[in-house]
Amino acid sequence: TQLLEQSPQFLSIQEGENLTVYCNSSSVFSSLQWYRQEPGEGPVLLVTVVTGGEVKKLKRLTFQFGDARKDSSLHITAAQTGDTGLYLCAGAGYNNAGNMLTFGGGTRLMVKP
Amino acid sequence: DSGVTQTPKHLITATGQRVTLRCSPRSGDLSVYWYQQSLDQGLQFLIQYYNGEERAKGNILERFSAQQFPDLHSELNLSSLELGDSALYFCASSVEGGPNYGYTFGSGTRLTVV
Repeated sequence: TQLLEQSPQFLSIQEGENLTVYCNSSSVFSSLQWYRQEPGEGPVLLVTVVTGGEVKKLKRLTFQFGDARKDSSLHITAAQTGDTGLYLCAGAGYNNAGNMLTFGGGTRLMVKP
Repeated sequence: DSGVTQTPKHLITATGQRVTLRCSPRSGDLSVYWYQQSLDQGLQFLIQYYNGEERAKGNILERFSAQQFPDLHSELNLSSLELGDSALYFCASSVEGGPNYGYTFGSGTRLTVV
């Protein structure tokens, strides 16, 4: 069974601080995706990383895929209150159900003004 | 608006009842996925349909069933409802049958069983 563990589960920081969220697994994934979910809404895809070692930047967000394609990190620089939300990583690959996305448990980020 | 439409947004029903959740995928997307999200279980995959046919099945209870119609909309049927079925139910769609390019999620249906 593929499992994705995210850490930390909860993070409360002040506006302007930097933070890193981690997503780890013992399984290899063909791609790794990050989603952000706000209350009352569905997850929204932020980025997909495909190649081991790949780094993608989206404004103040930097995503990295591990060399072995088993882990990923999301770094936010100078966090803003608008970054508040639930961040989910999801790995694409074969599991018992087929070629699926497996979601991590999420990191709940609160950025205080 | 993500382009994936889910109805109803909220549903309150009693134990033992049956409900139907509806999903219209984003235009051009052939795959529909159903997920259940609860506080203690996170996002759990239930079932996938691709162009009308069941493609993959996750931890979906026997009391639950789904189908995808010729116009590609999908319905998730939940029967003999129990208190533990209370959760957010999300539908997602993608253009292809695999996950590599990400899913587009709807806003979900919040089901409360009382």
